[in-house]
Amino acid sequence: ETGVTQTPRHLVMGMTNKKSLKCEQHLGHNAMYWYKQSAKKPLELMFVYSLEERVENNSVPSRFSPECPNSSHLFLHLHTLQPEDSALYLCASSLNLATNEKLFFGSGTQLSVL
Amino acid sequence: AQSVTQPDIHITVSEGASLELRCNYSYGATPYLFWYVQSPGQGLQLLLKYFSGDTLVQGIKGFEAEFKRSQSSFNLRKPSVHWSDAAEYFCAVGEGNTPLVFGKGTRLSVIA
Repeated sequence: ETGVTQTPRHLVMGMTNKKSLKCEQHLGHNAMYWYKQSAKKPLELMFVYSLEERVENNSVPSRFSPECPNSSHLFLHLHTLQPEDSALYLCASSLNLATNEKLFFGSGTQLSVL
Repeated sequence: AQSVTQPDIHITVSEGASLELRCNYSYGATPYLFWYVQSPGQGLQLLLKYFSGDTLVQGIKGFEAEFKRSQSSFNLRKPSVHWSDAAEYFCAVGEGNTPLVFGKGTRLSVIA
């Protein structure tokens, strides 16, 4: 148990659906992250939030829309996804944004887009 | 450009045997170096990290890693592998306040 909880664990959606992934941490961390993990590829950083402000957006398609309503919660809203978006989506948090801070990861949401 | 290379996609070792997982990086300055482990169906967990000082760092679960600046390497080692060590291992590198760059991972299988 890392203190970072992601729901749902598994999600199957059609290309026309709209769904949201949720991440929650009560570790008192100020930075939260979304990563995409695809088979045989390095972990891809998608978004970074620090104190509820987005500080990093790595050229992610607009069909992925993050939201950070407070320092404990992070959402990833999904709409009109493509089959190649099928992957494990990992949320992480850290005390602050410094590179040397330990990342605490959730167990991920395994997303399948049909 | 910054990059992290884990040359081995999959390694199989016998239980009780020693283990070394390779990691090479390409960075301009002295980077921060990490090893994370991911068990099936789980997120990543930090094993150990190196920032400065002693180049041999100890981590959890009996793992250690050695930073070799001349070889731009940060290899992970364990003297005696247990079946529970079967997992995916990721090397990650960063510097300053830039986001970490992860390698593609090495999958470790342990056989009896």
